Amino acid sequence: GAVVSQHPSWVICKSGTSVKIECRSLDFQATTMFWYRQFPKQSLMLMATSNEGSKATYEQGVEKDKFLINHASLTLSTLTVTSAHPEDSSFYICSARDVPEQFFGPGTRLTVL
Amino acid sequence: AQSVTQLGSHVSVSEGALVLLRCNYSSSVPPYLFWYVQYPNQGLQLLLKYTSAATLVKGINGFEAEFKKSETSFHLTKPSAHMSDAAEYFCAVSGNNNDMRFGAGTRLTVKP
Repeated sequence: GAVVSQHPSWVICKSGTSVKIECRSLDFQATTMFWYRQFPKQSLMLMATSNEGSKATYEQGVEKDKFLINHASLTLSTLTVTSAHPEDSSFYICSARDVPEQFFGPGTRLTVL
Repeated sequence: AQSVTQLGSHVSVSEGALVLLRCNYSSSVPPYLFWYVQYPNQGLQLLLKYTSAATLVKGINGFEAEFKKSETSFHLTKPSAHMSDAAEYFCAVSGNNNDMRFGAGTRLTVKP
């Protein structure tokens, strides 16, 4: 199957700083990527749909100014958590669509102190 | 809109016993259905998928699932559980827009 990578795999930052997470499709082009958030012992919650060359579509309740998404190329989408706070600590997972399924990255563990 | 419901947040079986993880879906269009497995601090690994071909789908690691439209179900089974099967399992559905929605997950515990 197709491979999706995420970088970094884990990050610790201070409250108030911004963190950028990269999601890359390594062996296929993805016009659409998705960003999910997963709290401990919970399911994946879709945050936003990232479309190459256009603005991301955010799910209800997700702050677009807080979670900036850029899908500048067919193989790269980035999620920037701006002015991170401890409540933003979570496991962030991206996926890239290769119709009809999605291929998932290994996830990024964000801890905000 | 699509959604899935996983019945049972936690399932415990003995090694060698049958594994049955339940998933019911709701979809206004013919669905694509998926089962994923997640090990601690890792991403999702696709076990199997239904994409409107055969209703009985075989996946990796000996898992299979049967699509039953009349019951709107897509239950995951494995004849004989291994210790290595202990993990979190997620059922997911997507429709025409490929916007995937996940169930709440079922934690499988395998007892020796």
